[in-house]
Amino acid sequence: GQQVKQSSPSLTVQEGGISILNCDYENDMFDYFAWYKKYPDNSPTLLISVRSNVDKREDGRLTVFLNKSGKHFSLHITASQPEDTAVYLCAAGNYGNEKITFGAGTKLTIKP
Amino acid sequence: DMKVTQMPRYLIKRMGENVLLECGQDMSHETMYWYRQDPGLGLQLIYISYDVDSNSEGDIPKGYRVSRKKREHFSLILDSAKTNQTSVYFCASSWDRGTEVFFGKGTRLTVV
Repeated sequence: GQQVKQSSPSLTVQEGGISILNCDYENDMFDYFAWYKKYPDNSPTLLISVRSNVDKREDGRLTVFLNKSGKHFSLHITASQPEDTAVYLCAAGNYGNEKITFGAGTKLTIKP
Repeated sequence: DMKVTQMPRYLIKRMGENVLLECGQDMSHETMYWYRQDPGLGLQLIYISYDVDSNSEGDIPKGYRVSRKKREHFSLILDSAKTNQTSVYFCASSWDRGTEVFFGKGTRLTVV
């Protein structure tokens, strides 16, 4: 079964709003959680990642929230801009042991 | 300059032909991957390689094989291509399992 799930295949947010992308995982051993961004006809690139020893990490307009008891993590993008329009892939793994597993992706569209 | 290079970027093959997709990385990463991406399915892992001649099946290995004779090169081979192998194939690498994955730009393969 899918070890990493993104339940929303798409999301539309008004420019300037907050985009919230969600990801659920099954493996208790995962200790590395990441979000990748993918533009059409391009390769995924790492946006932000966290280890399991923190429950929140901020980087500019991006914040990752980690809820280990709920096996859930999310990406919040504040002041969303049209250039944030892309597919966002969540990923999880276990450092040194488990390969990274990717979710199916959420297509985020920012409307001007 | 850290990068993963894939060749070719676009490829059209007839059903039954053999296909060779090449990948190189200049980061001395031990771990390399081959994924395919199909609409609605996200990134599916075909094979993972932990080092030279140390390869393991991923989630969808059927119809594919791989070769890794040098740490910096990882090839994906389709013996007798099928139309359902039409997809975008991504090569990737990371310095260890459960760490940031760097992707190549992808190869769009069409089997007719």
